[in-house]
Amino acid sequence: GAVVSQHPSWVICKSGTSVKIECRSLDFQATTMFWYRQFPKQSLMLMATSNEGSKATYEQGVEKDKFLINHASLTLSTLTVTSAHPEDSSFYICSARDPDRGQTGELFFGEGSRLTVL
Amino acid sequence: AQSVTQLGSHVSVSEGALVLLRCNYSSSVPPYLFWYVQYPNQGLQLLLKYTTGATLVKGINGFEAEFKKSETSFHLTKPSAHMSDAAEYFCAVSDGGYQKVTFGIGTKLQVIP
Repeated sequence: GAVVSQHPSWVICKSGTSVKIECRSLDFQATTMFWYRQFPKQSLMLMATSNEGSKATYEQGVEKDKFLINHASLTLSTLTVTSAHPEDSSFYICSARDPDRGQTGELFFGEGSRLTVL
Repeated sequence: AQSVTQLGSHVSVSEGALVLLRCNYSSSVPPYLFWYVQYPNQGLQLLLKYTTGATLVKGINGFEAEFKKSETSFHLTKPSAHMSDAAEYFCAVSDGGYQKVTFGIGTKLQVIP
């Protein structure tokens, strides 16, 4: 149980275009999802916390207008990288907590999406 | 504020040897501690976690970790390494079940045949 799926797993786009990444909780309802960015040889950097039905909470230094997050339902959050540039190339990972598992703090991760901007 | 320090970004062990991955944390409240494993181009999978209770916790794939409050450590061990253990391992800490999780920089484990 507690499966999180991300799509696409990899995407290549031209500079200046926008890219949307989807994160779905398949067998539970996730009121909160988290978006991370992972740089090579570095840890996961929390970008934002996505709350169903309300605005996302962004971490300091993350551009809200650049990385648009929408959490329209209890099972879907999307991250849109707007006007992508090569420096946005990275591995983006989403995660969620299953509220039915109580306050264990455990995060369930999607498979990740590798974005390459040419 | 909470933080995690993983000593050694790369660790190499021989197949069958002991695996020891080090993690020290900083937290102003009793921490929740986690170890996650990441295989190439994949998301993270939980190996084990400590919230309360027994300080020695056992996880999947034969891994275990011990919470030592006096040393602010949560080192990950496995008695005998397998080739399939080669991956990146992340230690993480949070201040509670619904709080933000902070990850360490990760330790890449290489298993030599």
